[in-house]
Parts: sequence; C-alpha cells; structure tokens
Amino acid sequence: KNEVEQSPQNLTAQEGEFITINCSYSVGISALHWLQQHPGGGIVSLFMLSSGKKKHGRLIATINIQEKHSSLHITASHPRDSAVYICAARPTYNTDKLIFGTGTRLQVFP
Amino acid sequence: DTAVSQTPKYLVTQMGNDKSIKCEQNLGHDTMYWYKQDSKKFLKIMFSYNNKELIINETVPNRFSPKSPDKAHLNLHINSLELGDSAVYFCASSQSPGLDLHFGNGTRLTVT
Repeated sequence: KNEVEQSPQNLTAQEGEFITINCSYSVGISALHWLQQHPGGGIVSLFMLSSGKKKHGRLIATINIQEKHSSLHITASHPRDSAVYICAARPTYNTDKLIFGTGTRLQVFP
Repeated sequence: DTAVSQTPKYLVTQMGNDKSIKCEQNLGHDTMYWYKQDSKKFLKIMFSYNNKELIINETVPNRFSPKSPDKAHLNLHINSLELGDSAVYFCASSQSPGLDLHFGNGTRLTVT
C-alpha cells in the first residue's frame, strides 16, 4: 500500500461546483505539497503546507496533522481547472524525499 | 526566461542505445532533482543533488547516472536503454532540500 493515498482517482464536475480532493498519508511528515499537472504535462507546485490552511485565489489547501489528512478545495470551478492534482508528502524519516500520491484527474465541464 | 528547462522535450530511441537528458535552472537554487513518471502517471524520485553533491539515490539501476557540473545543471545519462525506461522524466529544483519545488516541462522518453 502506498504511503500516500488520494481520493477520488477521477472526478468530474460542472462549472461553478465546489471541488474537494483528499489526501491521506501513513507516515510522519514535515510538509505536504499539492501539485497540478495540466494535460500538456507540465507540473506546477500549488501549495506547500505543514499546518493549518493556505489560500491562493480559488484554491484552498488544509491539513490536519493529527489525522494525517489534507484536502485541496477549488471554489467556483472552471474548465481551465481540469488537470491532475497530486499530493506529495515529505516524510520526517527523510526530509529530502517526496512520496507522491497517485493523483486525482479532475474534469470540469462548462 | 524559463525557470527550469529540460531538453529534449521528446526522445525516441532504440533499445540498447545511450542517451542524455539535460536540465538547467536559472533560479539560483541549490537543490535539483530528477523524477520519473510512469505510464500510470505515478511520480517517483530518482536523484537529488544539493550544491552538486548527491543526496538522494533511490534504488535506480546504475544504467542511470546523474551528473551535476555546477549548481544550475543536472543532467541524466542513461546507458543501454530498456523498454521499461519509457516514461516522462521531470527535472525540478528548490532553494534547498525540503522547500518548494519548481518543475521543468518534462522529457517524454520512448524506447522501441
């Protein structure tokens, strides 16, 4: 079993819907990253967080260290949000390393 | 003025060949990485260099040899290519280990 699990694997939504993607991990971490990979293949780092909540535009990332769980929320979703969203945990046993989830493929339809 | 640039973007080659992928970053970062993304889109770290020194080498076959001539460059050389090496390879950099990552656009390697 992967140390970092994401759900759902695939997600479709209508434009304007509120989206939630979940990430659970089984190891102690120093930080958790959320990445976005567009259909063209490029990867962009959205957030790096170790506690609480971060917001950037319509994107919100939260983390609960005790529950070993993080969520990525997208408010007022738009077709341009269609991408694969990947969470990655930085384990305390090796903070140079990232352990990646398997990704959530999001499609937002107009 | 691309921050992390990789070349080539696509690489098609035959089994047994030797090939290199180049990566350069102009962000002044100390740490660079190579990641492999397989056909199921799963990303995995291969190597990490900090100030030209290897800090992560994740059970990668020794046919893969990273080379960091300076802090701004981390190249990946692959000997005796195999079908299973087909994947997308991403270079990334960060200010130091553990900080936020900046990715290149990836190199799609196809071994026939």
